[in-house]
Amino acid sequence: QQQVKQSPQSLIVQKGGISIINCAYENTAFDYFPWYQQFPGKGPALLIAIRPDVSEKKEGRFTISFNKSAKQFSLHIMDSQPGDSATYFCAASSSGETSGSRLTFGEGTQLTVNP
Amino acid sequence: DTAVSQTPKYLVTQMGNDKSIKCEQNLGHDTMYWYKQDSKKFLKIMFSYNNKELIINETVPNRFSPKSPDKAHLNLHINSLELGDSAVYFCASSQGDSRNTIYFGEGSWLTVV
Repeated sequence: QQQVKQSPQSLIVQKGGISIINCAYENTAFDYFPWYQQFPGKGPALLIAIRPDVSEKKEGRFTISFNKSAKQFSLHIMDSQPGDSATYFCAASSSGETSGSRLTFGEGTQLTVNP
Repeated sequence: DTAVSQTPKYLVTQMGNDKSIKCEQNLGHDTMYWYKQDSKKFLKIMFSYNNKELIINETVPNRFSPKSPDKAHLNLHINSLELGDSAVYFCASSQGDSRNTIYFGEGSWLTVV
């Protein structure tokens, strides 16, 4: 059962444009929602994260929007740059699991920013 | 200094062989993980250790055996390798549970032929 669904699978944006990646989750116990960025040949790296007590978090050109009632969250990349071209993963975790907290990832979005 | 380092980076081996991947973190974290990334880039947790104690074993075949000699090391041994084991295996670490930043290694690319 895929608990975190991510879309689109791939995204092509022109330099300077806005990239938007969406995720939806099912488990209402999730209370931590990070986004990871992965460049080819490298491991994922934390980009930005949000907890459900706020509806938006911004760090530089990257913004997470969070809608608790809809169980959805999204990543917005403003003024997208070719260097942003990478695979982006949303993820979710909860504190209440008796078997240990685990990070559940979405399927990933391959972002290409054309110059 | 690399925060989470894993070796080897590339591994090509035949079906039926046994192989190991080693991982070390120098961040002083108490929790370490193994994740598997398949050909479609889907990331899935395999194991999690906290202070050398296994806390997550995510329905992984028992051909996969993690070992944590100390909290800075988490090795992965795989017996009787199968074609379907071909993937990228990522070691990672965090301080506390996965609601804190998880730092990933660069991955070990395993190809079983």
